[in-house]
Amino acid sequence: GDSVTQMEGPVTLSEEAFLTINCTYTATGYPSLFWYVQYPGEGLQLLLKATKADDKGSNKGFEATYRKETTSFHLEKGSVQVSDSAVYFCALSDTGANSKLTFGKGITLSVRP
Amino acid sequence: DTGVSQDPRHKITKRGQNVTFRCDPISEHNRLYWYRQTLGQGPEFLTYFQNEAQLEKSRLLSDRFSAERPKGSFSTLEIQRTEQGDSAMYLCASNRVSINTEAFFGQGTRLTVV
Repeated sequence: GDSVTQMEGPVTLSEEAFLTINCTYTATGYPSLFWYVQYPGEGLQLLLKATKADDKGSNKGFEATYRKETTSFHLEKGSVQVSDSAVYFCALSDTGANSKLTFGKGITLSVRP
Repeated sequence: DTGVSQDPRHKITKRGQNVTFRCDPISEHNRLYWYRQTLGQGPEFLTYFQNEAQLEKSRLLSDRFSAERPKGSFSTLEIQRTEQGDSAMYLCASNRVSINTEAFFGQGTRLTVV
């Protein structure tokens, strides 16, 4: 079945540091890929998405590129802020954005001033 | 539009009791999903509805679990004879199948079975 693997956490960075959070997936067919974020005390929010190979999703300075050859969708940001402290989930949907999501375990990011 | 609303936000119950959660999706959304999230894990799919029809159920959804969406608007998730292993965050999400939109999540109902 479909699965998503995220790097182990937690991750602690200083403000303005470069961020990479690794995500790889296993799926039949051609899934859509997503990054969701959960800020403290809030619900899950979509951060960015990509629906086909080589697409780059971007939002709030975060980017991720759909790499079919390596089955990866790594999240990057050039300069993190304290307000980026949250839990980040990689997810896939096997029939487009309107189907059920399969999530990774999530990783907690803490950014210190 | 106030987003996806879930009630209650927290529920503590004794083992063996029945509990029911409610989800109110965004009003024009015709798909509604239930997920369960345990500590340190990502959300896991339980079931989803398109309008009032329940189209898929995960094998995680044991016979003690039942979900309904009687008029294609709000949904309820009932757990009968709760067990300690049912303790989790139950998340609801919705989207509109006719437009390629992402799923919007509620803040969840945290269930603790003691």
